[in-house]
Amino acid sequence: EAAVTQSPRNKVAVTGGKVTLSCNQTNNHNNMYWYRQDTGHGLRLIHYSYGAGSTEKGDIPDGYKASRPSQENFSLILELATPSQTSVYFCASGDGATSGNTLYFGEGSRLIVV
Amino acid sequence: GEQVEQLPSILRVQEGSSASINCSYEDSASNYFPWYKQEPGENPKLIIDIRSNMERKQIQELIVLLDKKAKRFSLHITDTQPGDSAMYFCAASGSSGSWQLIFGSGTQLTVMP
Repeated sequence: EAAVTQSPRNKVAVTGGKVTLSCNQTNNHNNMYWYRQDTGHGLRLIHYSYGAGSTEKGDIPDGYKASRPSQENFSLILELATPSQTSVYFCASGDGATSGNTLYFGEGSRLIVV
Repeated sequence: GEQVEQLPSILRVQEGSSASINCSYEDSASNYFPWYKQEPGENPKLIIDIRSNMERKQIQELIVLLDKKAKRFSLHITDTQPGDSAMYFCAASGSSGSWQLIFGSGTQLTVMP
């Protein structure tokens, strides 16, 4: 089965601090995604990538940057964390094939910004 | 951008009965509609999907219906069991292709014994 691992799994950050959430996939998928999950909002797309070197803005990119240095790794960066960014963040990978695009999610990273 | 509305947000059913979750989307170009199940404390996992060239798909107890004209799709779980209790998300592909999924806000399903 597809393997997507995230780190850290839990993080407490201070307002104004920098946070980096890392994601690694061993599926050789071209596409990778960062979502945040909040009650009442479901899963909202922050950034995604079609491959190494590419990053695209999702629906809620403000306050976030992304980096895809390699096929396997996709990071989400909060340069100046704010309490409104307290959430659970999920990374996912998918092959983007026209026959379907099953997303394989990581286990999630719980971020609390105080 | 594409919006996906999902209802109800909370659903409680008796064991053995059916559960239905409904979603609607805006972009007529959407052509891929997956459903994900998320157990407490875990990550979402794909359980069934349907493409726009189909109207109905069934995998065991799961039935998905797609009405392209009305831009609606639904998940029906027949003969529900306590193990079906979870959060369910519908999703629709974005206008840029099937690799960009827009998720609904989720339905918390509880199956009562």
